[in-house]
Amino acid sequence: GQQVQQSPSSLVLQEGENAELQCNFSSTATQLQWFYQSPGGSLVSLLSNPSGTKHTGRLTSTTVTKERRSSLHISSSQTTDSGTYLCAIDRSTGNYKYVFGAGTRLKVIA
Amino acid sequence: EAAVTQSPRSKVAVTGGKVTLSCHQTNNHDYMYWYRQDTGHGLRLIHYSYVADSTEKGDIPDGYKASRPSQENFSLILELASLSQTAVYFCASSRTGQAPLFGEGTRLSVL
Repeated sequence: GQQVQQSPSSLVLQEGENAELQCNFSSTATQLQWFYQSPGGSLVSLLSNPSGTKHTGRLTSTTVTKERRSSLHISSSQTTDSGTYLCAIDRSTGNYKYVFGAGTRLKVIA
Repeated sequence: EAAVTQSPRSKVAVTGGKVTLSCHQTNNHDYMYWYRQDTGHGLRLIHYSYVADSTEKGDIPDGYKASRPSQENFSLILELASLSQTAVYFCASSRTGQAPLFGEGTRLSVL
């Protein structure tokens, strides 16, 4: 079965609203990454957060390892935040073989 | 500046033909990866490599070969391209403990 599940699959926000993206995983994760993929573009790493809470700019990620879930909170969304947010886990130690979720497609409208 | 460069950026291939996708990194990274992304889906790992002259199978290796002749270069080879291999292919590189750095992707259409 799918090892990384993300919800919602898509989300539309008005500019300025906050977003909460969820990631649930079925395997033990030694690493957990959130990525941003621009429309039709490549992936950029946003946050590495295998456990606890981390902040960068308007992004906050909270991972509860024993419950195998992580969230990404985007505050005060902007139109430039539009794109796909991907959660990925590394199941092993030292291999860095990431398993990706299908992503949450976010559209922020002005 | 750290970079992963893929070529070609897009390709149209015929069924049964041979396709080679190339990836070059200037990051001095040990790890390199090939992923494929299908419309509306996340990325799936095809092959990866820890070191030059060695490759490992990922989660979906069937129908693909990989070659890593040097630390900087990692190729993905489709010996007999099939319709089901139409996808966007991403190459990435990483160093121990760091998130992978991705290339811009190669859009492959097999007709």
